[in-house]
Amino acid sequence: QVQLQESGPGLVKPSETLSLTCTVSGGSISSYYWSWIRQPPGKGLEWIGYIYYSGSTNYNPSLKSRVTISVDTSKNQFSLKLSSVTAADTAVYYCARLKTPLTVAARLGAFDIWGQGTMVTVSS
Amino acid sequence: AIRITQSPSSLSASTGDRVTITCRASQGISSYLAWYQQKPGKAPKLLIYAASTLQSGVPSRFSGSGSGTDFTLTISCLQSEDFATYYCQQYYSYPWTFGQGTKVEIK
Repeated sequence: QVQLQESGPGLVKPSETLSLTCTVSGGSISSYYWSWIRQPPGKGLEWIGYIYYSGSTNYNPSLKSRVTISVDTSKNQFSLKLSSVTAADTAVYYCARLKTPLTVAARLGAFDIWGQGTMVTVSS
Repeated sequence: AIRITQSPSSLSASTGDRVTITCRASQGISSYLAWYQQKPGKAPKLLIYAASTLQSGVPSRFSGSGSGTDFTLTISCLQSEDFATYYCQQYYSYPWTFGQGTKVEIK
């Protein structure tokens, strides 16, 4: 079965760039949409953005100026970069697969497979 | 952005109880709502999508209903493994947004 695994530094300094990678195993990254979601300690979930295997993206406007999501199909990976981080970016970051809509008329948007999450702390 | 308000924020219940959690959207979202279960230290797990469609492998004691602005997640007979935090999420329009969560605790 498809599994996702996040990797990257657990500590990032303020004003620097947070970089994470999600490795997809047990299946191909092709033909699916892939997303990043984060959860500050003790708080709720925030959608960051998604990427299609072809490279098209969609970002949350609240983060759009600082976010880049990219994909490397040869490695079965996709990545997140978040620039100019502050303490407010401290969170568990999850990668997830978007469930393919069952019909042409249905919308993309439910996350059916998640990585275990990785804690990123922004601190000097 | 569409705001999602979940209620209650927490509840206490006993094994065997029927539990209902509500989400209200700030504007109509048709049936584009998903429900997730999250246990401490774990990733969320998809329970229901399209407001009422059970995700494969999820027990049938979970059910969802609603459309437009008001939605409900019902657990018909609470089991010990169901004590967790539940989130709803709208995917009708960007940015996709989540409710603040409902923690189901043991009475």
